[in-house]
Amino acid sequence: DAGVTQSPTHLIKTRGQQVTLRCSPKSGHDTVSWYQQALGQGPQFIFQYYEEEERQRGNFPDRFSGHQFPNYSSELNVNALLLGDSALYLCASSFDYNEGQFFGPGTRLTVL
Amino acid sequence: TQLLEQSPQFLSIQEGENLTVYCNSSSVFSSLQWYRQEPGEGPVLLVTVVTGGEVKKLKRLTFQFGDARKDSSLHITAAQPGDTGLYLCAGDKEGTSYGKLTFGQGTILTVHP
Repeated sequence: DAGVTQSPTHLIKTRGQQVTLRCSPKSGHDTVSWYQQALGQGPQFIFQYYEEEERQRGNFPDRFSGHQFPNYSSELNVNALLLGDSALYLCASSFDYNEGQFFGPGTRLTVL
Repeated sequence: TQLLEQSPQFLSIQEGENLTVYCNSSSVFSSLQWYRQEPGEGPVLLVTVVTGGEVKKLKRLTFQFGDARKDSSLHITAAQPGDTGLYLCAGDKEGTSYGKLTFGQGTILTVHP
């Protein structure tokens, strides 16, 4: 049973560009959440998708957008990249409230 | 101000020692989770606690959720070098929708052989 998978593993972009990150949830999970983790800090919640809709959102600007597909996989899009967007982007999936969230390995984004 | 305050931030101990990591808040949490993260990888879920006063054991790791659901602790008995890593507590703040996890800043544990 594959866990949460993310692609790509690493990505280098320049300021002003746009990026799309992808996530496939753990089998049987229908909810996908995205987090941003800066170096040396705990992850920060970006948003969560359920039934193909954004269910809740953290304190991130509209440059951060997402999508969930009928097969529960998800994308995170970031427009007009800034240097401060450099971070590890984590996807987590879940199904049961008491089970917790399961994280993928992350995508390391570097903005130059 | 962090919603979840973890302490200590750094812990360096010898193999065989015991240790406790604390996670405190002034807010009530519906559930609280502990994760362990290796460099360059995603956090790995260790445990979820949902009931005030709950204690869960996972081999040498003991997790406790405070009676008021505002704090939690992780105790490791006879630490081993393989326990080295970043330990994160995270929770669903009561009154918010499930899944918007708030994380502590983490505790970096180093266990020396």
